[in-house]
Amino acid sequence: GAGVSQSPRYKVAKRGQDVALRCDPISGHVSLFWYQQALGQGPEFLTYFQNEAQLDKSGLPSDRFFAERPEGSVSTLKIQRTQQEDSAVYLCASSFDTGVTYYYEQYFGPGTRLTVT
Amino acid sequence: DAKTTQPNSMESNEEEPVHLPCNHSTISGTDYIHWYRQLPSQGPEYVIHGLTSNVNNRMASLAIAEDRKSSTLILHRATLRDAAVYYCILGISPNNAGNMLTFGGGTRLMVKP
Repeated sequence: GAGVSQSPRYKVAKRGQDVALRCDPISGHVSLFWYQQALGQGPEFLTYFQNEAQLDKSGLPSDRFFAERPEGSVSTLKIQRTQQEDSAVYLCASSFDTGVTYYYEQYFGPGTRLTVT
Repeated sequence: DAKTTQPNSMESNEEEPVHLPCNHSTISGTDYIHWYRQLPSQGPEYVIHGLTSNVNNRMASLAIAEDRKSSTLILHRATLRDAAVYYCILGISPNNAGNMLTFGGGTRLMVKP
């Protein structure tokens, strides 16, 4: 079946531009996560949605980062006034975790590689 | 959060077994041990998880020490496609919704033909 998809796969932005990164999770998956992966490092948590509710945004590095999931399916990560340090791969993951049962498996998309010049 | 320690890199020959170690001496009683791997230019993918007992699935086996302070991911016959970064991750308390994954640096596995 269809996995998690992300678009665009690659994005080059000039410093100061705004960007929007899209994530299409697996249909029916309640939980959606965004992670940021710098070159040569493991992914780092940014934010978490359960359906349309953003329950945790503790990993967002600054108020330039904003995420939404208005209808509980597709999510968009927006970065305003991009800086060079925002250059990274942005990964989206979804899972069927309802927050009640414990076991979950996160399914990751291929990521969007953002390069800020 | 409890931390994990893994070697930065390991090398294996194709068709041979690979044992990837992970130390987690501060693991709590409710932490599950998860393994994910990340192939080049892809997002991470789930490999296996366990709590106390050893686990097997079609991809790998997970051996967990009796005191749970360490674990080993076992690939029974490495193939070139298994070349990836392997992450050992401790799961947070089951009472906490939004079970984000806390990745460390992982182990880069290189497989030689």
